[in-house]
Amino acid sequence: EVQLVESGGGLVQPGRSMKLSCAASGFTFNNYDMAWVCQAPKKGLEWVATISYDGSSTYYRDSVKGRFTISRDNAKSTLYLQMDSLRSEDTATYYCARHEILTTAGFDYWGQGVMVTVSS
Amino acid sequence: DIQMTQSPTSLAASVGESVTITCLASEDIYGSLVWYQQKPGKSPQLLIYGATILEDGIPSRFSGSGSDTQYSLKINSLQPEDFASYYCQNGLSTPYTFGAGTKLELK
Repeated sequence: EVQLVESGGGLVQPGRSMKLSCAASGFTFNNYDMAWVCQAPKKGLEWVATISYDGSSTYYRDSVKGRFTISRDNAKSTLYLQMDSLRSEDTATYYCARHEILTTAGFDYWGQGVMVTVSS
Repeated sequence: DIQMTQSPTSLAASVGESVTITCLASEDIYGSLVWYQQKPGKSPQLLIYGATILEDGIPSRFSGSGSDTQYSLKINSLQPEDFASYYCQNGLSTPYTFGAGTKLELK
């Protein structure tokens, strides 16, 4: 059974940093591109970042470029999101998601989500 | 960036009815359209990809259609568990933009 379990969320002050982790199991992690998708309270879904199966390529939405870094450790089957210079508008639930093998086919598995609140 | 315009924003229907949700892309996405269902407090679930292909395990009352810039999701014979929010997504290229969502409510 595919499982994605996020951790590392919580309350953080504006301008500070936070690192999210996503432990994957039930599939061959290093075969799949992975992503982070966020959802602000009572709002819609927003793609944040994607990393290729081998970590060689990364992609970000404009609003997080230069502040967030997606990475992975295939030996540990773990995905990460390092979030620096956090802003109040980054407040959201962050989901770890697996890309379908064909990346145009969307995200086929999602974690339960972890809440990040940026507030003083 | 490809903008995804989803309509309606909300929709009220009864069990047994059929509903259609539409999604308009700001440019041709060549059929790379994905639909998700999200229930309150839960993670999104993939319903349809490639505009028309039903994900494994998704009931056949869900169907997708469309091409180029115009796409739709149809739900036939609504069941109580179908009342949820639905999102379309551009699967063609980054940024992988989503529609704003449609909340399907029980009439």
